[in-house]
Amino acid sequence: KQEVTQIPAALSVPEGENLVLNCSFTDSAIYNLQWFRQDPGKGLTSLLLIQSSQREQTSGRLNASLDKSSGRSTLYIAASQPGDSATYLCAVRAGYALNFGKGTSLLVTP
Amino acid sequence: EAGVTQFPSHSVIEKGQTVTLRCDPISGHDNLYWYRRVMGKEIKFLLHFVKESKQDESGMPNNRFLAERTGGTYSTLKVQPAELEDSGVYFCASSQISLGGDTQYFGPGTRLTVL
Repeated sequence: KQEVTQIPAALSVPEGENLVLNCSFTDSAIYNLQWFRQDPGKGLTSLLLIQSSQREQTSGRLNASLDKSSGRSTLYIAASQPGDSATYLCAVRAGYALNFGKGTSLLVTP
Repeated sequence: EAGVTQFPSHSVIEKGQTVTLRCDPISGHDNLYWYRRVMGKEIKFLLHFVKESKQDESGMPNNRFLAERTGGTYSTLKVQPAELEDSGVYFCASSQISLGGDTQYFGPGTRLTVL
């Protein structure tokens, strides 16, 4: 059974800092990994998808890496802004279903 | 392009009543998924449709839950009779396989409260 863990559970940083969110999973036989963002009361917005054969994906100030053999992924956010405040969710796909972590709640203060 | 839509956004019902949630996927997406998050827990998979066929319903909690996708377009998730532990946020997602991988796009969710 795939277990997905996200550390830290919550994070508060001043604006402008670079930060790293961590995701680990127990079964390395995955199809892909997705990072999502969720704003309060809203749905999930897909940020990045990394296929199992890829090592990283980049979109703007976001960079996600994947080390399948060690069961780890990181989401790097450069030059954080208050608008980045949200919950970030990591989800691993094996088969059709996504297996989610509990998320990291990020607060970026001005 | 319209995203995944869900109706209602919020439903409050009493234990023992019936509730039907609706999901409209992104047009042209063959894959449709239902997920649920109960208080304090992570989002959990419920089931997956490809067009009108159920591919995997291993996450459905019990036989009080019934999902349908007639005609392979929108989907409904009925809970009958509802119990207190069914309270949570129900998300729908859709995807279409492409060269870039099948990103799942999520709707805003339906918040279900069972009193």
